[in-house]
Amino acid sequence: RKEVEQDPGPFNVPEGATVAFNCTYSNSASQSFFWYRQDCRKEPKLLMSVYSSGNEDGRFTAQLNRASQYISLLIRDSKLSDSATYLCVVNQAGTALIFGKGTTLSVSS
Amino acid sequence: NAGVTQTPKFRVLKTGQSMTLLCAQDMNHEYMYWYRQDPGMGLRLIHYSVGEGTTAKGEVPDGYNVSRLKKQNFLLGLESAAPSQTSVYFCASREQLSNQPQHFGDGTRLSIL
Repeated sequence: RKEVEQDPGPFNVPEGATVAFNCTYSNSASQSFFWYRQDCRKEPKLLMSVYSSGNEDGRFTAQLNRASQYISLLIRDSKLSDSATYLCVVNQAGTALIFGKGTTLSVSS
Repeated sequence: NAGVTQTPKFRVLKTGQSMTLLCAQDMNHEYMYWYRQDPGMGLRLIHYSVGEGTTAKGEVPDGYNVSRLKKQNFLLGLESAAPSQTSVYFCASREQLSNQPQHFGDGTRLSIL
């Protein structure tokens, strides 16, 4: 089983849609969790950290389910500018973060 | 602050040539990383460092060497470049605390002919 698994997509949605991405991780000792965004041919950039109680940042909501080893990202009212690849990232209390391969989102008008 | 700076941005090499990629960070981060990213493969960790003078192997270390002589700099070397090393290389750094994210440089696009 891969350490961090994501549905690669692509997810093709119209503007204004709500879209959800899921991610599972294999190591139950994982301690911290993040969602990154990567635009084509650019570096990954932190979108948001994921907290145990769930957290929201504008149109973005992240959830963590430690029992199921599952992380989610919900994007409401999708914009064209949300088109990107979204990376699920896990820290297993080690020195390196573990990156999923990413889920590609394409928002169309 | 500049954050994480990578040089060069682009480079074309011939098979067998050597080169060094430089990563510099001005955030006083303890940890630094080198990744490569290839189409459909995601980010793969090459080497990393947990402090000045220390380095460790990641997932795909073969064909690369690294050095961390100064805390702010992390160098990635290719001693004898091969076409399989054509890739986009990203450097990242982060604070020591486990709940801190990584910050990335904007990448080096390397082609080996």
